[in-house]
Amino acid sequence: QQQVKQSPQSLIVQKGGISIINCAYENTAFDYFPWYQQFPGKGPALLIAIRPDVSEKKEGRFTISFNKSAKQFSLHIMDSQPGDSATYFCAASMFGGSRLTFGEGTQLTVNP
Amino acid sequence: DVKVTQSSRYLVKRTGEKVFLECVQDMDHENMFWYRQDPGLGLRLIYFSYDVKMKEKGDIPEGYSVSREKKERFSLILESASTNQTSMYLCASSLSSSRQETQYFGPGTRLLVL
Repeated sequence: QQQVKQSPQSLIVQKGGISIINCAYENTAFDYFPWYQQFPGKGPALLIAIRPDVSEKKEGRFTISFNKSAKQFSLHIMDSQPGDSATYFCAASMFGGSRLTFGEGTQLTVNP
Repeated sequence: DVKVTQSSRYLVKRTGEKVFLECVQDMDHENMFWYRQDPGLGLRLIYFSYDVKMKEKGDIPEGYSVSREKKERFSLILESASTNQTSMYLCASSLSSSRQETQYFGPGTRLLVL
């Protein structure tokens, strides 16, 4: 069973727009929530991560919003650029553990 | 920079063949992982290892085995390849088994089983 559910499966955004990808989890033992970005022909790479003691984390144009009570977190990409076109994966892990559970992935296309 | 290399980018094998996928990391990481990536299913953990000769099953270990004889090398073995094992295989490593560290991924091996 998928413990981390991700939506949408694909997303098309115009250049300059905001891209929003959502994830939901069920296991309340999860306490680390990273997002990975994967370009075609490459392995995923860490983009940004959050822990549940904060509700938001921002790094440049990328922001994670975290809602602990709803067990949801989302990635917002502001001023989306064609170079952001990639597959994005949310993930979660439990305290003290190095094992990640990944969502299904979202293929983002930013049109010029 | 951490570098994770995988022995092949593309591999074509026949049903029933024994298949070895090799992964090497150069940063003295404790943890190594094997995932398979399928469209709509994300990354699913097959096996991971937190030390030499140690291994733990992931979410989908059936039909696979692993070997970690040296710290830098982690091998995935398909004992008798089947068509449903056609997939992209990704290897990753992370520094410590006791902390939530960044996982560094290799470029992947796309395996086709005919």
